[in-house]
Amino acid sequence: EDQVTQSPEALRLQEGESSSLNCSYTVSGLRGLFWYRQDPGKGPEFLFTLYSAGEEKEKERLKATLTKKESFLHITAPKPEDSATYLCAVRRSSKETSGSRLTFGEGTQLTVNP
Amino acid sequence: DGGITQSPKYLFRKEGQNVTLSCEQNLNHDAMYWYRQDPGQGLRLIYYSQIVNDFQKGDIAEGYSVSREKKESFPLTVTSAQKNPTAFYLCASKKGQGDYYGYTFGSGTRLTVV
Repeated sequence: EDQVTQSPEALRLQEGESSSLNCSYTVSGLRGLFWYRQDPGKGPEFLFTLYSAGEEKEKERLKATLTKKESFLHITAPKPEDSATYLCAVRRSSKETSGSRLTFGEGTQLTVNP
Repeated sequence: DGGITQSPKYLFRKEGQNVTLSCEQNLNHDAMYWYRQDPGQGLRLIYYSQIVNDFQKGDIAEGYSVSREKKESFPLTVTSAQKNPTAFYLCASKKGQGDYYGYTFGSGTRLTVV
């Protein structure tokens, strides 16, 4: 069974205080690891897909990295508008139709104070 | 602009009632998904559909039903058999087998039992 664990559950930062969010995963053959941002009362917004260990992707103040067991979402010099819940999900490599489904972690709620 | 439209945004259900949540996409995506989100839990898969007139159960399908008569539409019915339906429901879609652009989510429907 695929499992995704995110830590910490909640994180409070001061504006400009860099930090990282963690996503540990267990999956039988990783097809892709996804990061999403979710604002309160809205649907998740796609950020990144990572495919293999060593891969990195960046978008503005966010940088996602991937190892064989976990992924990190690094936030550099965050601003209050970065406050949101960040979700991690994995997709298993499979020829079956069930392989297209995502397994999500519980998310990390990030608050950036001005 | 293309996207996924979920309606209504808020829905109230009386005990014993069936209610249907709408999900429409104009992205020409092949696959569509329904997820349920509860506080403190990750998104859980209810049903998914890879092509028209075909769908599969997810992890928590009991008490729910779906149809996929058109590529653009994937409505979810919450039946009276679902004992704890109060939750935030999210519809998503994906084009083909690639993951580069991730899964696109709608803005959600919040269902409350009254």
